[in-house]
Amino acid sequence: ETGVTQSPTHLIKTRGQQVTLRCSSQSGHNTVSWYQQALGQGPQFIFQYYREEENGRGNFPPRFSGLQFPNYSSELNVNALELDDSALYLCASSLALGQGAGEQYFGPGTRLTVT
Amino acid sequence: AQSVAQPEDQVNVAEGNPLTVKCTYSVSGNPYLFWYVQYPNRGLQFLLKYITGDNLVKGSYGFEAEFNKSQTSFHLKKPSALVSDSALYFCPAGSWGKLQFGAGTQVVVTP
Repeated sequence: ETGVTQSPTHLIKTRGQQVTLRCSSQSGHNTVSWYQQALGQGPQFIFQYYREEENGRGNFPPRFSGLQFPNYSSELNVNALELDDSALYLCASSLALGQGAGEQYFGPGTRLTVT
Repeated sequence: AQSVAQPEDQVNVAEGNPLTVKCTYSVSGNPYLFWYVQYPNRGLQFLLKYITGDNLVKGSYGFEAEFNKSQTSFHLKKPSALVSDSALYFCPAGSWGKLQFGAGTQVVVTP
């Protein structure tokens, strides 16, 4: 098991609502990335945070936003939920740029269902 | 741009037989390649990585992978598969936490 934790484990929301997912990084890791994994597909990169700043974004609309806190925990916020947002959301922490080759340690994920 | 392809949706192998999971890549510049495994309802577990150096990379749980630049491949191998190796395997490309994943390969190891 990695030292990355996520909450909640499961979540059910209604279309149009907003949701916040939380992640606690592995100790010593100051970079966090978020991924969306739809059923039967590989994870898709949403964005990355490094030292509380967004450091790269995948092909996701602005209603997907994030925060990283001084203790390196982070949040993923999704506004105006759509049915297609139903997925497993994974966070992954890693060492900072230049301090490692980028292997990431994933949390167990939050399963979001939008009805 | 970076992308990977895993040509097999599923690989079936008998316990004790060699296991190979195929992966090809298309990247600009030097490729950073990884293998991860995902068990049901679990996050992804890191197996191994190729950044530079030896083409044969040894990883966790007896897995290894061979980087082949001419064939743009990075196949995962294990000499003797276990039933507990049954899982979903991914070979993403990328670095610094920005990985591009393919659809994965389901490995089924039968007793």
